[in-house]
Parts: sequence; structure tokens; C-alpha cells
Amino acid sequence: AQSVAQPEDQVKVAEGNPLTVKCTYSVSGNPYLFWYVQYPNRGLQFLLKYITGDNLVKGSYGFEAEFNKSQTSFHLKKPSALVSDSALYFCAVRDTNTGFQKLVFGTGTRLLVSP
Amino acid sequence: NAGVTQTPKFRVLKTGQSMTLLCAQDMNHEYMYWYRQDPGMGLRLIHYSVGEGTTAKGEVPDGYNVSRLKKQNFLLGLESAAPSQTSVYFCASSYNSNIGTSSNQPQHFGDGTRLSIL
Repeated sequence: AQSVAQPEDQVKVAEGNPLTVKCTYSVSGNPYLFWYVQYPNRGLQFLLKYITGDNLVKGSYGFEAEFNKSQTSFHLKKPSALVSDSALYFCAVRDTNTGFQKLVFGTGTRLLVSP
Repeated sequence: NAGVTQTPKFRVLKTGQSMTLLCAQDMNHEYMYWYRQDPGMGLRLIHYSVGEGTTAKGEVPDGYNVSRLKKQNFLLGLESAAPSQTSVYFCASSYNSNIGTSSNQPQHFGDGTRLSIL
């Protein structure tokens, strides 16, 4: 069964510093990977996805993610963090066994960006 | 264009009461989903629908029922609420993602319903 793991419950970084939120995955076939962000009292918002092609995927709000097949990782990155990036981040993998876009989510990582 | 709208936003129930959560989307999406979000557990799929008139069980369907009588609406029902169903419930929708380049379209989420069962 497909799964994703987010090993860090919380990541703290100072504004202006680079940030990385980690995600590793386990799939039986080709991985279809996603990152979502959740701000307080809001639903999840799509940031970016990896389906195929370049290992570096660019998304919304200056975020990017690096796909690494050998390490089965899909880490979310941003060169310079903003206080407004503080939120809950979810990695997700598409469950290809069901034949449609059922997503399996990680447990989330809370990003705290200090001024 | 409101996207995905969930009603109500908050609700407190007593054990044994019933209620229905409504999700409406105005993006003409084929697929709709109901999730619950609990601390430390991420999002878990309750039920989903691949089109009007069709529904299917997700990861944690027990204690819930759903209906998709109209393409734009997806209802989640709790027939006899239990404290274990205290959670934040999210509805989402997406394009038909099983065909060609439309595959793997992102899901669009509502802002959630916060449900407490006493």
C-alpha cells in the first residue's frame, strides 16, 4: 500500500533563511506526489505536484520540491522563508491501486517562521 | 466562483443525535471526497464519489453515510453521533483524473466543519 512519512512534527526557521520540510514515500509503481498547505481554520491548498519529468518541481508562493527516486524522498523547499509561510504542510501520494486520484496524506509538519 | 463550500462551519452535538454535513462545489468537478482531520493523524478519507449517483467507502467509513444526488453536492451523514466522531471534517473535489493529461489534478478543499460530540 502507498504511504508517505513526514518525520518532523515541527520545523522552526528564522525569516530569510532557507527551509526544508521532509517527506519520504513508499509506492508500488510510479510515484505521484503532492504538497498541500493548511493555514489556521482553513482547508488544504495545493502547492505543487510531481508526476514525471524534472526532479525539481516549482509551485505556488515560491515553494519548490525535489524528487529523489533513489532516496524515495520529495522534500519541500524554499530559498528564503517568510513569517507568512507559517502553516501546516502535508505531503501526499496518489494511491494508484484504486485507479483514480485517491490521495494518502502524511501526518503533517508544522512550519514556524520567526521574525 | 466560491469553490468548495461547507455548511455548517461549527456544530456541537450530543451523543446519539444525527446530522448532515453539506458540501457544494461550483467547479463542475466529477470527483468529491469527505475527509476527517484529527491531531497527529493527517487526513483520512471517509467516503468518496466519482460521479453523480455513485459513492464508495474510503479508509474510515464506519458510522457515516453519504449521498451524491446532484453533481455539485456531496452530503455526509452521521446517523447516531459518537464522541469518537469529534473531528474537523473536510470536503474536497477534483476533475475526473483518470483520463490522459487530466490525471492527477489537485483536489480543492473547503474550509472545514468543526464538529464536537458530547
